[in-house]
Amino acid sequence: AQSVTQLDSHVSVSEGTPVLLRCNYSSSYSPSLFWYVQHPNKGLQLLLKYTSAATLVKGINGFEAEFKKSETSFHLTKPSAHMSDAAEYFCVVSGFSNNDMRFGAGTRLTVKP
Amino acid sequence: NAGVTQTPKFRVLKTGQSMTLLCAQDMNHEYMYWYRQDPGMGLRLIHYSVGEGTTAKGEVPDGYNVSRLKKQNFLLGLESAAPSQTSVYFCASRYLPVDPGELFFGEGSRLTVL
Repeated sequence: AQSVTQLDSHVSVSEGTPVLLRCNYSSSYSPSLFWYVQHPNKGLQLLLKYTSAATLVKGINGFEAEFKKSETSFHLTKPSAHMSDAAEYFCVVSGFSNNDMRFGAGTRLTVKP
Repeated sequence: NAGVTQTPKFRVLKTGQSMTLLCAQDMNHEYMYWYRQDPGMGLRLIHYSVGEGTTAKGEVPDGYNVSRLKKQNFLLGLESAAPSQTSVYFCASRYLPVDPGELFFGEGSRLTVL
C-alpha cells in the first residue's frame, strides 16, 4: 500500500519570496505522484504530475516539483509567491492500482502582502 | 462545458435521515469517484466506478451506497445518516484508466448531520 506525508500543515510566506511545500511518500511500486491545489470553497485542480519520465516536473502557475527516489520525496516549489497562490495544496500518490490514490492531509499556504 | 457538477451543494440532515448526492459529468469519462474531505485528513475514497453499471468500495465505504446507472451520473446515498458523516463530499472523474490521468473534481457538497 502507498501513503503520503505532507510535512507541514501550514506554510506562510511573503509575496515575492520562494515557496516550498514538502511531501514524502511511501509506495511498494513505482509511484505516480501529483500535486493538486484547492482554493476556498472550490474543487481540486491538478498542478502537476510525475509518471516516471523527467524527475523535474513543471506545472501550471510557475510551480514545479522534483521526484527524488533516494529521499522518497516530491516537494513542490515556486520561485516567487503571488497572493493568488494562497490555497490548500495536496500531494497525492498513485500506486499499482490507479484507483488507489492516497491524498496527503494537505498544506495550507498563506501569502502575506 | 460544465465539467463535473454536484448537487446539492449544501444539506443539513438529522440523524437517521437518508439522502442522495448526485454527480454528473459531461466529459464522457469512464471512471468516477466519491471522496470525503475532513480537516487534517485530506481526501479519502468512499466508492468508485470504472464504467456504467459497475461500482467498487474504496477506503471508507461503510454507511454509503452508490449507483452508476448512466455513464454520466454517479450517485452517492446515505441510508441512515450519522453525525460522523458530516463532511465535504467531492465527486471526481477521469478518462484514462491505465495512464494515471488527471482527476477532474466537482466543487463539493457540504453535508451536516445533526
